[in-house]
Amino acid sequence: AQSVSQHNHHVILSEAASLELGCNYSYGGTVNLFWYVQYPGQHLQLLLKYFSGDPLVKGIKGFEAEFIKSKFSFNLRKPSVQWSDTAEYFCAVTTSSGNTGKLIFGQGTTLQVKP
Amino acid sequence: GAGVSQSPSNKVTEKGKDVELRCDPISGHTALYWYRQSLGQGLEFLIYFQGNSAPDKSGLPSDRFSAERTGGSVSTLTIQRTQQEDSAVYLCASSPARPGGEQYFGPGTRLTVT
Repeated sequence: AQSVSQHNHHVILSEAASLELGCNYSYGGTVNLFWYVQYPGQHLQLLLKYFSGDPLVKGIKGFEAEFIKSKFSFNLRKPSVQWSDTAEYFCAVTTSSGNTGKLIFGQGTTLQVKP
Repeated sequence: GAGVSQSPSNKVTEKGKDVELRCDPISGHTALYWYRQSLGQGLEFLIYFQGNSAPDKSGLPSDRFSAERTGGSVSTLTIQRTQQEDSAVYLCASSPARPGGEQYFGPGTRLTVT
């Protein structure tokens, strides 16, 4: 079965530190890849997405992610985090299987940024 | 423009009662999805609508769960004879026509079964 794995469950950083959150998926076919963020008390919002083309994608608020097909990975990065980045981050994929577009989510990573 | 809306935002019900959760997608979005977010299970897909049809119901956890969509717009998720394990946040998302594209999420309905 298709699955998504996020390696870090809880990350604590100080402001200005660099961030990298790991995400791996298991599916051998075509995928679309997403990172969603859920700020405290708010609903899920899209950070960035990859459909095709340049494997380095840039999203909102200075986030970027790199798709490495050979590693089945889509890691999220930010050079310098801010306190306002405190949130839960979800990696998700849709696959070409069944053509429904349903999102398969990772378990999420809680990021806590200390001021 | 208006985003995805869901109602109620919170629902507390007694075990064994039926509940209905409503989703209003973004106007013009033909695809609609229901997900469930619970501790320990993360975010799980429940059902997918394209228009008023549900070609993928594979995520519904039991026959106590059902959903419908009318007029290609509003969707209702119904849980019959609720159980404590149904307690979760139920999320709705909508998307423009192409499957696999970006989905826009609503704020969710927090269901608590006592």
